[in-house]
Amino acid sequence: GAGVSQSPSNKVTEKGKDVELRCDPISGHTALYWYRQSLGQGLEFLIYFQGNSAPDKSGLPSDRFSAERTGGSVSTLTIQRTQQEDSAVYLCASSLVNRAYEQYFGPGTRLTVT
Amino acid sequence: DAKTTQPTSMDCAEGRAANLPCNHSTISGNEYVYWYRQIHSQGPQYIIHGLKNNETNEMASLIITEDRKSSTLILPHATLRDTAVYYCIVRVAENFNKFYFGSGTKLNVKP
Repeated sequence: GAGVSQSPSNKVTEKGKDVELRCDPISGHTALYWYRQSLGQGLEFLIYFQGNSAPDKSGLPSDRFSAERTGGSVSTLTIQRTQQEDSAVYLCASSLVNRAYEQYFGPGTRLTVT
Repeated sequence: DAKTTQPTSMDCAEGRAANLPCNHSTISGNEYVYWYRQIHSQGPQYIIHGLKNNETNEMASLIITEDRKSSTLILPHATLRDTAVYYCIVRVAENFNKFYFGSGTKLNVKP
């Protein structure tokens, strides 16, 4: 079946601009996660959605970052007033709620802020 | 979460078993050991997890020492496509909605 998809695959933006990154999870997966991975670094948790519950935003690095999940499916991660330190690969994952350890990741969006 | 220590890199000949160690000497009784891998330019991929018993699935085997202070991921017949960074993660099951990877072990499978 279809896996997690993300768009765009690459995004180059100027410092100060806003960007939106999209994630389409696997159908039937109620849990959705956003992470980022800077060059050569490990994974950093950003935000977690589970069903209709309030999202866990504890990993968002600043108030310039926000995310929403509409209709329990597609999610959008928005970064306002981008900074060069926001440059990274942004990864989305989804899972069944009772198998959170088995997350299926998308290919990521590589964001470059110039 | 318990800290994990993994070698930075390892080499393995194609067709041979790859044994990737992980030290987690501060693991607590309710923490599981999880393994993920990340092939270049792809998202991470779940491999296997365990609590205290050895586990095997279609991808790999996980051997956990009796004192649970270390574990070994075994790829029985490594192929070139197994070249990736392998991450060992120790977490309590309830906290797996958000996890962090360290630097992992870069496994180079060579022909």
